[in-house]
Parts: sequence; C-alpha cells; structure tokens
Amino acid sequence: GESVGLHLPTLSVQEGDNSIINCAYSNSASDYFIWYKQESGKGPQFIIDIRSNMDKRQGQRVTVLLNKTVKHLSLQIAATQPGDSAVYFCAENLAGGGADGLTFGKGTHLIIQP
Amino acid sequence: KAGVTQTPRYLIKTRGQQVTLSCSPISGHRSVSWYQQTPGQGLQFLFEYFSETQRNKGNFPGRFSGRQFSNSRSEMNVSTLELGDSALYLCASSLEQGARGYTFGSGTRLTVV
Repeated sequence: GESVGLHLPTLSVQEGDNSIINCAYSNSASDYFIWYKQESGKGPQFIIDIRSNMDKRQGQRVTVLLNKTVKHLSLQIAATQPGDSAVYFCAENLAGGGADGLTFGKGTHLIIQP
Repeated sequence: KAGVTQTPRYLIKTRGQQVTLSCSPISGHRSVSWYQQTPGQGLQFLFEYFSETQRNKGNFPGRFSGRQFSNSRSEMNVSTLELGDSALYLCASSLEQGARGYTFGSGTRLTVV
C-alpha cells in the first residue's frame, strides 16, 4: 500500500547550523501531516503539523513545508542544538481523520556534531 | 498533568505465551490508539479505541486484540506470541476519536524468546 517515506536514514549537521529533513509521501488523499521527534527510550513527541490547505507553517525554531505538487514534506530546524539529536518521523493522515490511524515514514536520525 | 502511562516498561515472554499491555491515557482523553514499532517495519498502526469500542484497525492478525474500559484506560493483548512480535508497543491518547492531537507514552518493550 501507499506509505510515507523519508529520503535519508541519517543526517549529520554541525551544532548551530540549520537542519532540513525531507519526506516524500505518495497518498494524494492525505490531508494532514505531522512531524514527530523520538529520543532514545521515549515515545514520539509532537513537533509541528500542517494541513493540506497550507504550504508552510512555523513554530519555535521549526518550519514545516508542504509541496503537494510533488508530494513532499520537509522539516527545517534552525540553529540546531545538541538536544535536537533524535530520530525524526513524518506521518500522514487521510482525509476524514482516524481511518487506519497515522502512516509513518521510516525516520531520519539527526546527529549533531559539536 | 500526568502524561500517557504504559505498563510494564519491559517484558520478556516465551514463544506461544500471551501478553497483556496496559495504557492509561491523559486525564480527559477519550481515545487510545496502539502502534507497534520495529526496526524493520517502523511504526505501524494496530487499532484505536474510543468510548470502549474499537473504531479503527490496522493490518495485523487476530492474535492482536484490545479493549478499553469506562475510564478510558486501554489494554492490548497478544496471544500465541511469535519471535516477530518483539517490538516497542506504543500507546497514544487524544481527546477525540481520530489520529489528531496524539500524545504518546514511552512504550512497552516486548521481547519474545
């Protein structure tokens, strides 16, 4: 079936630089997208979400971009800090909400170099 | 306020046994969803419970079941355990039915030997 995927399993960035994590999705019926952060030994933690009627949403140090034309989602983290080290997952939800829960991508492990 | 609480945190079981995992949602949250996380398959949706009824179900065999109590606490059960059932089982609660507004627990790490 269709699923959300990520381009890179690992991303290494220098502390203080900006990080960009990418995700490709294939289900055009999805209308809600979320980014989660998962630290070792913990469950996924909500970072930011975006609905399909938007193409950009900003939070504190994070920005999510949605390109529906090419079915691409990205998470930008500004001024990356050591505490940002984690695995990042994108997830999608079909229109109507709830059906089949969330479909998650495989995850990108963000490594912060000092 | 307290977050989503999952018990136990770690569990070791033998093939063929059955196991029950527990999830206490955030106070006031009425929906509980369960996910399985493995290195190979990633995070996969198991099922969702709302108002003591299963509302949605993922693509897992009937050995995986669950229930929800009147206080919104939920349990999931896996019968006739297989080695491939070794995983982190995550529970997420939300105010209303559906996959929006999740708060995840820290999970139960199940190892089947």
